[in-house]
Amino acid sequence: QSVLTQPPSASGTPGQRVTISCSGSSSNIGSNYVYWYQQLPGTAPKLLIYRNNQRPSGVPDRFSGSKSGTSASLAISGLRSEDEADYYCAAWDDSLSGPVVFGGGTKLTVL
Amino acid sequence: EVQLVESGGGLVQPGGSLRLSCAASGFTFSSYWMHWVRQAPGKGLVWVSRINSDGSSTSYADSVKGRFTTSRDNAKNTLYLQMNSLRAEDTAVYYCARSAFGGPGYWGQGTLVTVSS
Repeated sequence: QSVLTQPPSASGTPGQRVTISCSGSSSNIGSNYVYWYQQLPGTAPKLLIYRNNQRPSGVPDRFSGSKSGTSASLAISGLRSEDEADYYCAAWDDSLSGPVVFGGGTKLTVL
Repeated sequence: EVQLVESGGGLVQPGGSLRLSCAASGFTFSSYWMHWVRQAPGKGLVWVSRINSDGSSTSYADSVKGRFTTSRDNAKNTLYLQMNSLRAEDTAVYYCARSAFGGPGYWGQGTLVTVSS
């Protein structure tokens, strides 16, 4: 049972816009930055979004992040086949459960 | 270019010990916090521990507290995870990650730890 809640799956067709949600609490998303990671099959996770809505150098602007209260979202526009991957949200947590908490991950399928 | 290379994984019996290493290059290792994150087969990411830049402060997930110890040797640009009293549920790929923009940013390729008799 992950501290942050994500839908287990999402899907879309090429060119579509897809959003993935991430729900937390006041001790994590509500008071700290949100990070998003992309994990392609058989590879290590890659940082996609940091500090709620910032993209590291090299990440296409098709990927965007937002946060409101204790929830966050990742949006992918102009969906491409190579976007098929697992996506994870994460945040620091101020409670005793640990400094960094992850969502359970969302498997994105490009139909 | 930031490079992180984990090693030390393998098969270990329940109750046994293992030490993982993470060799860092391409950046000033002593300036960054480091994390360990694990992923059980077919499951999601789970944060394990973090250590600050000079090694004076560590933090652990409840599931490993008292059994795992994170340390670093800044002279050797290497991060360590000492794992004792291993359990079947510790079976996972273990990733080391360098802090970037305040969270785990750059990740290694991971090393597989299998706890089984």
